[in-house]
Amino acid sequence: DTEVTQTPKHLVMGMTNKKSLKCEQHMGHRAMYWYKQKAKKPPELMFVYSYEKLSINESVPSRFSPECPNSSLLNLHLHALQPEDSALYLCASSQGVRAGLDEQYFGPGTRLTVT
Amino acid sequence: GQNIDQPTEMTATEGAIVQINCTYQTSGFNGLFWYQQHAGEAPTFLSYNVLDGLEEKGRFSSFLSRSKGYSYLLLKELQMKDSASYLCAVRLPNRKLIWGLGTSLAVNP
Repeated sequence: DTEVTQTPKHLVMGMTNKKSLKCEQHMGHRAMYWYKQKAKKPPELMFVYSYEKLSINESVPSRFSPECPNSSLLNLHLHALQPEDSALYLCASSQGVRAGLDEQYFGPGTRLTVT
Repeated sequence: GQNIDQPTEMTATEGAIVQINCTYQTSGFNGLFWYQQHAGEAPTFLSYNVLDGLEEKGRFSSFLSRSKGYSYLLLKELQMKDSASYLCAVRLPNRKLIWGLGTSLAVNP
């Protein structure tokens, strides 16, 4: 199983709503990532979890709150978002080894629209 | 700072060969990746180079020269389904990926 799954596929939310994005992988990977991607731009790293601990936070606003309940799951909690936060949110995972290939496998993404 | 340059767009003909170049200036280097991304879909891993030289994988090959800060992705026997964006990414020693803006490749019949 080389699949990373994300739910929901699409999400429309108002600026006062609270919602969560979910990501799951069953490849035994120990590193998981959240990216934000705007149209015609590369993915922009938000957070990295390594062995269920937050290892990188790319100065993301606190209205985005990540959570890693276990090694297979990654959540992104959303609260009081702005319209400019509308984007494709991608989850990725990798083995998390310190050397070697450690390529990232991406999920299909959640297309988020903030109204 | 970190900088990765790739051409914005390229066009090629079905059955031909195309080379997509990538140059980088980064504060460190722990490998270079190429990803393919079709419109509206997630990036998929194509190739990885950490040592100088050519890595071949079927119709796709990737080359790296660390001294020149240069890589290319070579696609042979182009097919219509190869129309996509191709992203070059450099991994830093802290494991973070720095991404280029991507090259949008259009394959014409």
